Parts: sequence; structure tokens; C-alpha cells
Amino acid sequence: AQKVTQAQTEISVVEKEDVTLDCVYETRDTTYYLFWYKQPPSGELVFLIRRNSFDEQNEISGRYSWNFQKSTSSFNFTITASQVVDSAVYFCALSGTMDSNYQLIWGAGTKLIIKP
Amino acid sequence: GAGVSQSPSNKVTEKGKDVELRCDPISGHTALYWYRQSLGQGLEFLIYFQGNSAPDKSGLPSDRFSAERTGGSVSTLTIQRTQQEDSAVYLCASSLIHLSGEQFFGPGTRLTVL
Repeated sequence: AQKVTQAQTEISVVEKEDVTLDCVYETRDTTYYLFWYKQPPSGELVFLIRRNSFDEQNEISGRYSWNFQKSTSSFNFTITASQVVDSAVYFCALSGTMDSNYQLIWGAGTKLIIKP
Repeated sequence: GAGVSQSPSNKVTEKGKDVELRCDPISGHTALYWYRQSLGQGLEFLIYFQGNSAPDKSGLPSDRFSAERTGGSVSTLTIQRTQQEDSAVYLCASSLIHLSGEQFFGPGTRLTVL
């Protein structure tokens, strides 16, 4: 069965530090998609990135970067030069085909606190 | 508006009453999802619709929960005989393509059962 593990429940760093949020997944599907979402204190979930299982290229978007490694079943998220506005709960999610029964499987989330 | 809307934003009810939560997805999005999020917790998948049909209802916590979607658009989540453990934020999301598409979330309905 599919599973997403975000082992870090909460991370607290000082502004301008770099921080990496870990995401490890399990699936038997060969075609699957991985996502990261951000949930700021306001509560509304915001999509950050989608990656399909055939594309292992790392992606960078401004201060955000993602490292997808199939060999370790990980899809980690790094924020460079963190800012207070990055404070939020971040969720990693996985969707597949047969193994998931067509559901999107979510990690428990990592609460990121950026202190000024 | 262009986003997913949900109503009401807050609902306080007494134990044993029925409640209806509404979700208005982004126009043209065929996939619609309901999730539940308890305080400080992750997302619990409840049900998803592809068009008007729900291929998988296994996420619904009990038979007191039901959902429908009409016209491939608006969806309602109904909770009958509410219990205190039903208190949570109920989130709705829609997607252009199921599984591979990004989900756009509404602001949620905060349900409090007294």
C-alpha cells in the first residue's frame, strides 16, 4: 500500500537559515506523482509543486528547491535563506494508480517555524 | 470568483443534529475531493468525485457521512446525527485531472459539535 512519511513533526530555525523538509514515500506503482503543499496560518492549502515518477530532475523555484531521488524514495524540499513568511505547515503527498485505489495519500505534515 | 468556495465558513451545531456542508469547485474541474483536518493534524481523505460519481467511498468515517455532487459542479457533504468527534475543518478541493493534477483547495468549513 502507499504511504508518505514526513518524519519531522516540527522544525524551528532562525530567519535566513536554510532548511530541508524530508519526505519519504512507498508505492508499488511505476507511474505516480508527488506533490508539496503549503498551509500557512490562514489555513488555506496552496500547491507548490508536482513531480511525476519519470522525471528525476531537481527543480528550483526562487528560494525553493526539490530533490527527487527514486533510489531512496524521497522527495525533499529545501528553502534557502528562509523568511518569516515561510512559516507554515508543509505537506507532501503521493498519487498513483493501482496501489492507491485512486486516492491522494498525504503525509502528516511538517510545521516550520521561522523566527526573526 | 475563480477559486474553490465553501459554505458555511463556520458551523456550530448540537450533538445529534444533521449538517450540510457545501463546496463550489472551480468551473470545469471534473474531480472534486473532500478532506477532514482535525486540529494540528494532517489531511484525512473522505471521498472524491469524478464528474457526479464517487468511485471510492471507503474514506467516509461512518454511514452517518454521505456526499453527493450534481451537475458535475456543486457538492454537498452531509453528516447526520453529528457527534463531538466530527468537529474538524472540512476541506474541499477540485482538480482538472484526477491524480496527476494539482488540487485547488477551498478555505474550509470549521465544524464544531457541542
